[in-house]
Amino acid sequence: AQTIHQWPVAEIKAVGSPLSLGCTIKGKSSPNLYWYWQATGGTLQQLFYSITVGQVESVVQLNLSASRPKDDQFILSTEKLLLSHSGFYLCAWSRGGGNTGQLYFGEGSKLTVL
Amino acid sequence: QQQVRQSPQSLTVWEGETAILNCSYEDSTFDYFPWYWQFPRESPALLIAIRPVSNKKEDGRFTIFFNKREKKLSLHITDSQPGDSATYFCAASPNTGYQNFYFGKGTSLTVIP
Repeated sequence: AQTIHQWPVAEIKAVGSPLSLGCTIKGKSSPNLYWYWQATGGTLQQLFYSITVGQVESVVQLNLSASRPKDDQFILSTEKLLLSHSGFYLCAWSRGGGNTGQLYFGEGSKLTVL
Repeated sequence: QQQVRQSPQSLTVWEGETAILNCSYEDSTFDYFPWYWQFPRESPALLIAIRPVSNKKEDGRFTIFFNKREKKLSLHITDSQPGDSATYFCAASPNTGYQNFYFGKGTSLTVIP
C-alpha cells in the first residue's frame, strides 16, 4: 500500500526566516507529485507539480520554490517567509503514466508566520 | 479567473434530507471532475468522481449529476447524516495528463441531527 508522509506537522516561523517542508511517498514508483496551499477555510491552490525527478513545474508564483531530489521526495522551500505564506500545505500524489487523475493527499503541514 | 465555481458557500440540512451542492466550470477541456471532502483539521479525501462520458455517477448515498452542455454538475447526498458534515470541494482537471487540478472554493455542509 502507498503511504504519503509530510513533515513537519506544524511550524511557527518569523517573517523573513527560511522554510523547508517535505513529503515522502512510499510504495509507489514514479508518481506525479503536487504541492497545494490552503488558507484557513479556503480553497486548494495548486503551487507545483512534478512528473519526474529533477523536473518541477510552477503553477502559481508565491515566492516559493520546489524540488524533487529523489523519485519519492518532494520539497517546498523559501528563503524569506511572508505573512501571506501562512496556511496549510498539502503534498499529494497521483499515478504517473496513464494517470487516472485521482489525487491522494498527505496529512498536511500547518504553517503560521508571525 | 475562477475556473471552478461552487454554490452555496454553506448549506445546512436536517438529518435524513437531501443536500444538493452545485459546481460549474469554464474550460471545455476539463474531463475529470472529482469531489473531495474535508473534515476539520484533516486533509481532503476523494469522495466520488465523474468523467463526461457519463451524466450520472452513483456511490451509495452520493450521486453526481453532470450536464456537459451547461458545464454544470451537482453532488446530491441523500439521507444526509451528521457524519456527512464537512467541506466539499468540486475539482476539475483537463485531458492533458491531469497535472493540473482546479478546485472550487468549497461548500461547507452541516447536517443537524
